[in-house]
Amino acid sequence: QSVLTQPPSVSAAPGQKVTISCSGSSSNIGNNYVSWYQQLPGTAPKLLIYDNNKRPSGIPDRFSGSKSGTSATLGIAGLQTGDEADYYCGTWDSGLSGYVFGTGTKVAVL
Amino acid sequence: EVQLVESGGGLVQPGGSLRLSCAASGFTFSSYWMHWVRQAPGKGLVWVSRISSDGSRTTYADSVEGRFTISRDNAKNTLYLHMDSLRAEDTAVYFCPSGYDSFDYWGQGIPVTVSS
Repeated sequence: QSVLTQPPSVSAAPGQKVTISCSGSSSNIGNNYVSWYQQLPGTAPKLLIYDNNKRPSGIPDRFSGSKSGTSATLGIAGLQTGDEADYYCGTWDSGLSGYVFGTGTKVAVL
Repeated sequence: EVQLVESGGGLVQPGGSLRLSCAASGFTFSSYWMHWVRQAPGKGLVWVSRISSDGSRTTYADSVEGRFTISRDNAKNTLYLHMDSLRAEDTAVYFCPSGYDSFDYWGQGIPVTVSS
């Protein structure tokens, strides 16, 4: 149903780095800012990245964002057990005239 | 401290109505666009609706257009979602995040169950 595609899951050992891709189109990622959200089990989502690559106050620089064309990427360096969560990309879709979220990616720390 | 507290959820029969509220504090509510986002059990996030800071502009997802109405009372620092003609597929936890093109703050969410 979502117009933004993410891998269902990624995993890595503690201390390693993972990247999560978010693929869209010109009506969404291609022409709008991308945000990333972290949802820990049983909690509300939390903003991690906004305007493609900016971190809100309090978000460690282990989290990074980038965008190229119609795709965006979230990077998590120095993976910690506390990073185990679901991650969603999101952006405005000009064609749908609505905000769209990605399909979500579950991060597992091995 | 920013707080967004949703209320008004619960169990409702198909075809019924419900009004959700979101009480805001710790920031200048009247300066922020507000949204409703929902999450069905075990599923991903889905945007539902948004309203401008002054309440003059609203937008809805196709799935709720004509059935849901978003509104706000800036004097009471409260956001609302009036939901009519509820369907089983509206069952979800509903969140009220703030922001324009990114959602800075989120409430804890309120569950809505549509079932007979």
